[in-house]
Amino acid sequence: DIVMTQSPDSLAVSLGERATIKCKSSQSVLYSSNNQNYLAWYQQKPGQPPKLLIYWASTRESGVPDRFSGSGSGTDFTLTISSLQAEDVAVYYCQQYYGTPQTFGRGTKVEIK
Amino acid sequence: EVQLVQSGAEVKEPGESLKISCKGSGYSFTSYWIGWVRQMPGKGLEWMGIIYPSDSDTRYSPSFQGQVTISADKSISTAYLQWSSLRASDTAIYYCARSDGGNWYDYWGQGTLVTVS
Repeated sequence: DIVMTQSPDSLAVSLGERATIKCKSSQSVLYSSNNQNYLAWYQQKPGQPPKLLIYWASTRESGVPDRFSGSGSGTDFTLTISSLQAEDVAVYYCQQYYGTPQTFGRGTKVEIK
Repeated sequence: EVQLVQSGAEVKEPGESLKISCKGSGYSFTSYWIGWVRQMPGKGLEWMGIIYPSDSDTRYSPSFQGQVTISADKSISTAYLQWSSLRASDTAIYYCARSDGGNWYDYWGQGTLVTVS
């Protein structure tokens, strides 16, 4: 199985400041034939199902604010919230869909400082 | 509007069987995969498996293979997750989600809470 390791487990950021979440895969999730990274990011707020934010490591889902961005390739990825808003308080998960079983990171809890 | 509507919360005793459902609407049910994800109380997301309703091609996580059965009835646009003998450790919220090409999950059901006690 591909293990997804997220860091940190939690972080507290002031409103309007940048939040950065890391995700590292135990093997590359870059598919050479199409040069795509098989990685997605989700946001989960308490009592709600996850919401898709980013796929192909850096493509923002329709309707997702542009303060959310994804970057990275191969085994190292980053989700950045450029200017944290109160409504961004949530747990964020990365997911690889390169191999079966698909796997999620353990999550990063983002709070307001 | 794309929707995945899951069946309601269940309370079961250990050893009982259970089948929960996920009904898709607002899109071509047979053109997308449906995945199932477990979330134990206060914990993260665990991928259980995925099914392509058009031909019922199904893949399981080794962690769940033999423990659950994923199925679909395309005639009623519904996917299922079932257990033959529940355990207390099956207590969790179970989500179904739609996947384009078996990749990321763009629409999620509201979740079904299963309590085994």
